[in-house]
Amino acid sequence: DAGVIQSPRHEVTEMGQEVTLRCKPISGHDYLFWYRQTMMRGLELLIYFNNNVPIDDSGMPEDRFSAKMPNASFSTLKIQPSEPRDSAVYFCASSGFPNEKLFFGSGTQLSVL
Amino acid sequence: TQLLEQSPQFLSIQEGENLTVYCNSSSVFSSLQWYRQEPGEGPVLLVTVVTGGEVKKLKRLTFQFGDARKDSSLHITAAQPGDTGLYLCAGGSYGQNFVFGPGTRLSVLP
Repeated sequence: DAGVIQSPRHEVTEMGQEVTLRCKPISGHDYLFWYRQTMMRGLELLIYFNNNVPIDDSGMPEDRFSAKMPNASFSTLKIQPSEPRDSAVYFCASSGFPNEKLFFGSGTQLSVL
Repeated sequence: TQLLEQSPQFLSIQEGENLTVYCNSSSVFSSLQWYRQEPGEGPVLLVTVVTGGEVKKLKRLTFQFGDARKDSSLHITAAQPGDTGLYLCAGGSYGQNFVFGPGTRLSVLP
């Protein structure tokens, strides 16, 4: 298996623009997680899905952030409009069972100027 | 809210030295995981411990879960440059997702 695949690896955009991050989980994994990592706040859970259904989005910072999982093999995290404080590394992770091993993608380094 | 603290925040040592990093919480966890994250990559799971007092070894790495399941330690023997990275602990409880600590950034100099 190729593991969790995220795209793009790097994204540089200007404040106010829409940003869409993409994730392909490991085939057969029923759980998909979106995390944000910064030096100040570490690794924060934004939202997670079980069988394509959003279960907990309490970590989503505000309404500018939205996430979808239209099918078992694809998820997006969208920021609209983006702000400089959204600059971070965004990780997608998947797992086969709750509270089990998380498989992380390589992340998307987002810079909002 | 369950919080995890890790110490030290940064650690720089010479190749061949031993080191221990710590993960502490005021909360009890049903399991605790250790991940290592290399620059430009996502975290990779090293070990999961589930029983209070449990000790697991992975080559030169020794992991221990505290008796009360509130803390854990990671000991590395004869550190090598390949051990360089960010070490994250993550605590899990039944019905809740894992909470990650802030990490210990280790640098092993040749």
